[in-house]
Amino acid sequence: GENVEQHPSTLSVQEGDSAVIKCTYSDSASNYFPWYKQELGKGPQLIIDIRSNVGEKKDQRIAVTLNKTAKHFSLHITETQPEDSAVYFCADSNSNSGYALNFGKGTSLLVTP
Amino acid sequence: DSGVTQTPKHLITATGQRVTLRCSPRSGDLSVYWYQQSLDQGLQFLIQYYNGEERAKGNILERFSAQQFPDLHSELNLSSLELGDSALYFCASSVQGTHEQYFGPGTRLTVT
Repeated sequence: GENVEQHPSTLSVQEGDSAVIKCTYSDSASNYFPWYKQELGKGPQLIIDIRSNVGEKKDQRIAVTLNKTAKHFSLHITETQPEDSAVYFCADSNSNSGYALNFGKGTSLLVTP
Repeated sequence: DSGVTQTPKHLITATGQRVTLRCSPRSGDLSVYWYQQSLDQGLQFLIQYYNGEERAKGNILERFSAQQFPDLHSELNLSSLELGDSALYFCASSVQGTHEQYFGPGTRLTVT
């Protein structure tokens, strides 16, 4: 599939601060953008997602924004906690590929107490 | 716990061998996806099945094949294994008509 670029590759924040991870996609047909959290030794866990007809979605401390024109979307985590430390992956998908997920390379987030 | 189960958790085998990885989707999910996770390639989509039929193919090698059975569980067969096939293999499942995919805990394959 076409590329999903994710930045930064590593991010270190202090507990209570906000963290922002950004992704850009290139496939104009993409219409679904999930974010996954992967802890060591576990499978990716879906934490939030957004569809192309929505610009922003929020779930407690987590929010995702989508800019279709610029083809980028971002994950925002507020009031970070040590248990937020994990690798976060963005992805895009569309019906042309059976909604198979095309992942970014991941961001390793470390929240220090 | 996502409700997706995978067996075995770990698998160690030699080059040239063949292995089978098994996945049971969440109750009610008709679609199964297989992904490979390696340090150099990241998370890559391999293949998707929907209600027993192959639906989409990604970067899956010809040495690899999969199928989905009438009870909806799926198996990924890897043959003529090479050192570079060492990776984590995940399956994910989703319900017809929705995008959300839920991942299993993965199978760690080590080829020696």
